[in-house]
Amino acid sequence: EPEVTQTPSHQVTQMGQEVILRCVPISNHLYFYWYRQILGQKVEFLVSFYNNEISEKSEIFDDQFSVERPDGSNFTLKIRSTKLEDSAMYFCASDGQNQETQYFGPGTRLLVL
Amino acid sequence: QKEVEQNSGPLSVPEGAIASLNCTYSDRGSQSFFWYRQYSGKSPELIMFIYSNGDKEDGRFTAQLNKASQYVSLLIRDSQPSDSATYLCAVIGGGTSYGKLTFGQGTILTVHP
Repeated sequence: EPEVTQTPSHQVTQMGQEVILRCVPISNHLYFYWYRQILGQKVEFLVSFYNNEISEKSEIFDDQFSVERPDGSNFTLKIRSTKLEDSAMYFCASDGQNQETQYFGPGTRLLVL
Repeated sequence: QKEVEQNSGPLSVPEGAIASLNCTYSDRGSQSFFWYRQYSGKSPELIMFIYSNGDKEDGRFTAQLNKASQYVSLLIRDSQPSDSATYLCAVIGGGTSYGKLTFGQGTILTVHP
């Protein structure tokens, strides 16, 4: 069964460093998303992406964040200058059915020290 | 701000019983409603989605939607210990939400043998 994959599974970084989280969505999907979940808290929407551009972003998704689909398979989230409060699990999701039924990847656990 | 509310639990039921999980949402224009299951340290896994008022059944799971009351529920029949997880209610709001899922904080379900 096709699935969303994410790399790395864990990332430890120093405050102020740049990180890139990578996702490979399900191959025929067209809509891509990033969410994050701080330990013990709700899953929060960050950004949605369709047709090579951002469709919607949350107030969390400030200028430190960017997304890119550099080729036909990868979808990346970059955090330019990480802060302690960026420590969270980051989930990529994809959807092929008109923005419904999103399937989540296994997540990247980011720890900022 | 559009909110999704769940009783955080924990909800404890004996094996074989029916577990009932509830969710309310604030955006009256919401059109799509989802239940995800999340095991500890893992990503959300889609269980069911429902768009229309009434019941939708899939195996041991039944989703119920009442748009007038802004209420959605999930019933799990013949609960098994493997059903023990956090159950997340998620909603796609009305208007141009581009597939943005708004999650509740989740209900912890424990099924004891």
